[in-house]
Amino acid sequence: RKEVEQDPGPFNVPEGATVAFNCTYSNSASQSFFWYRQDCRKEPKLLMSVYSSGNEDGRFTAQLNRASQYISLLIRDSKLSDSATYLCVVNLGTGGFKTIFGAGTRLFVKA
Amino acid sequence: EAQVTQNPRYLITVTGKKLTVTCSQNMNHEYMSWYRQDPGLGLRQIYYSMNVEVTDKGDVPEGYKVSRKEKRNFPLILESPSPNQTSLYFCASSPHGTGGGYTFGSGTRLTVV
Repeated sequence: RKEVEQDPGPFNVPEGATVAFNCTYSNSASQSFFWYRQDCRKEPKLLMSVYSSGNEDGRFTAQLNRASQYISLLIRDSKLSDSATYLCVVNLGTGGFKTIFGAGTRLFVKA
Repeated sequence: EAQVTQNPRYLITVTGKKLTVTCSQNMNHEYMSWYRQDPGLGLRQIYYSMNVEVTDKGDVPEGYKVSRKEKRNFPLILESPSPNQTSLYFCASSPHGTGGGYTFGSGTRLTVV
């Protein structure tokens, strides 16, 4: 089993749609969680951190479920510019600075 | 401008010919890391460094070496490259090692023939 698993997609959605990505992780000791965005052939960039209480940044909402060991990303009112690959990132925290990236979920937003 | 600079951007080399990919950051970050990205496998950590002279193996360290003699530089060395090291490589730095706040370099696309 992979340490961090994501549905590879692709997700094809029309502009204005709401789309949700899930990510599961295997190590219950994981401490920090993030979503990164990667455009084609470019470097990943931090989209948002994921907090236990859930957090929102504009059209983006991230949630963490420690009991079930998954995190989610919800994108509302999708824009063409949201087309990218979304990477789930998990860090083991203190005692191990291993940061594990999921393989990513590809999103295409169409006009 | 705060950035991580990797060189070269593209490299084609032959099996067994030693090469170095340089990485430099100007943000005074303590934590630096190297990743390789392959289709369907995502980003896999090769080595990381928590500070000068402190390095540790990631998930796929075989065939690679690193050094951290200065805070700003973290070169990746392939002593004897093989075709299975053909990949897209990213260097990243962070003020801490928790996974957030990573700044990535633009990537190095390496082909070993």
